[in-house]
Amino acid sequence: KQEVTQIPAALSVPEGENLVLNCSFTDSAIYNLQWFRQDPGKGLTSLLLIQSSQREQTSGRLNASLDKSSGRSTLYIAASQPGDSATYLCAVSSAGNQFYFGTGTSLTVIP
Amino acid sequence: DTEVTQTPKHLVMGMTNKKSLKCEQHMGHRAMYWYKQKAKKPPELMFVYSYEKLSINESVPSRFSPECPNSSLLNLHLHALQPEDSALYLCASSQDSGGGAAETQYFGPGTRLLVL
Repeated sequence: KQEVTQIPAALSVPEGENLVLNCSFTDSAIYNLQWFRQDPGKGLTSLLLIQSSQREQTSGRLNASLDKSSGRSTLYIAASQPGDSATYLCAVSSAGNQFYFGTGTSLTVIP
Repeated sequence: DTEVTQTPKHLVMGMTNKKSLKCEQHMGHRAMYWYKQKAKKPPELMFVYSYEKLSINESVPSRFSPECPNSSLLNLHLHALQPEDSALYLCASSQDSGGGAAETQYFGPGTRLLVL
């Protein structure tokens, strides 16, 4: 069964700093990888989707990369803001609409 | 419209009650999902419907019964739940092109369930 791990589990940075969140998965036979953010007690908001044939995707201050062969993805957040404080989750999909979520990284950006 | 709606937002029920959670989307998505999320944990997949047919049941107890009446609606019927079933229940949908490659998932805000 696919196992998805995120490091670090929690991260606290001062406002303006650039940061990297990591996601690793055990089975490289994935269709795509999706990054989400979740605010406390809320649903998930999709940030970026990377298809298995792609290496990276960018949206505004966010850049996600995918190295399928090594089972890794990173989410780069540039010039962090207090509004970026949330839990960030990665999820990988495999055949049959199966999605496996990572353990999450709780990010706090200090003003 | 990229919205998935869920009702109710909050639900408190006793262990002998029967209740239902509802989920709706109008994006034309043909795959719909139920997830369960405990505090400070990632969502856990419960059920997947593809083209209104149940395609995945992740060994969920029978006290949870999903239903997909049409391509826009997904229900989760609850009966004789236990206190440990208290959690945030999330619904999601995605395009299902049928080629096996899952597309972007869109999530609803969730129903926070408390079982007493």
